[in-house]
Amino acid sequence: DAKTTQPNSMESNEEEPVHLPCNHSTISGTDYIHWYRQLPSQGPEYVIHGLTSNVNNRMASLAIAEDRKSSTLILHRATLRDAAVYYCILRQPNTGNQFYFGTGTSLTVIP
Amino acid sequence: GAGVSQTPSNKVTEKGKYVELRCDPISGHTALYWYRQSLGQGPEFLIYFQGTGAADDSGLPNDRFFAVRPEGSVSTLKIQRTERGDSAVYLCASSPTGPQGMAFFGQGTRLTVV
Repeated sequence: DAKTTQPNSMESNEEEPVHLPCNHSTISGTDYIHWYRQLPSQGPEYVIHGLTSNVNNRMASLAIAEDRKSSTLILHRATLRDAAVYYCILRQPNTGNQFYFGTGTSLTVIP
Repeated sequence: GAGVSQTPSNKVTEKGKYVELRCDPISGHTALYWYRQSLGQGPEFLIYFQGTGAADDSGLPNDRFFAVRPEGSVSTLKIQRTERGDSAVYLCASSPTGPQGMAFFGQGTRLTVV
């Protein structure tokens, strides 16, 4: 049960910012929003996570809506190495913190 | 190494045979997860361990699938009487306890049943 919805695919030009949206309208107050990405032929890789406030790290930024029903992963300057499938996941402490993956957003970066 | 290690990386087996897939998690991580991923799909949850016990095995597709983690570290996913439909990449992840902990995934075991 993925509990999140994302566009199937997006494209971006190299060195331009990318905004990857995610809807999670059934989120509860204790659920953490996690983002992972999966490069071809590799296991998923952690990108960022947050609860209520916007978060920044060296890979990306996470903008969380005030009502927490949606979030956006921001890659500030897309590179060819960012081409991957990006997954938005709710980690829910009341159901064991499992990661339920949806189909994710396949990001294509155009040189 | 410091990451999650899965062995073997590739496994080809005949229909009806038994296979074991191994996962070595990051030292100290109490939570361990198994997933299965078919081509073009997101990873599908199979089972979750907290310590030695299976906290949630609701994703195991049927009783041919079983997993253990006897000492709270290494885990083995066991598949009996393999079928061609079991062919997939099997992923393992580990994380510290809690919803804010980041999970680390292995590279997966590609299982092919012929």
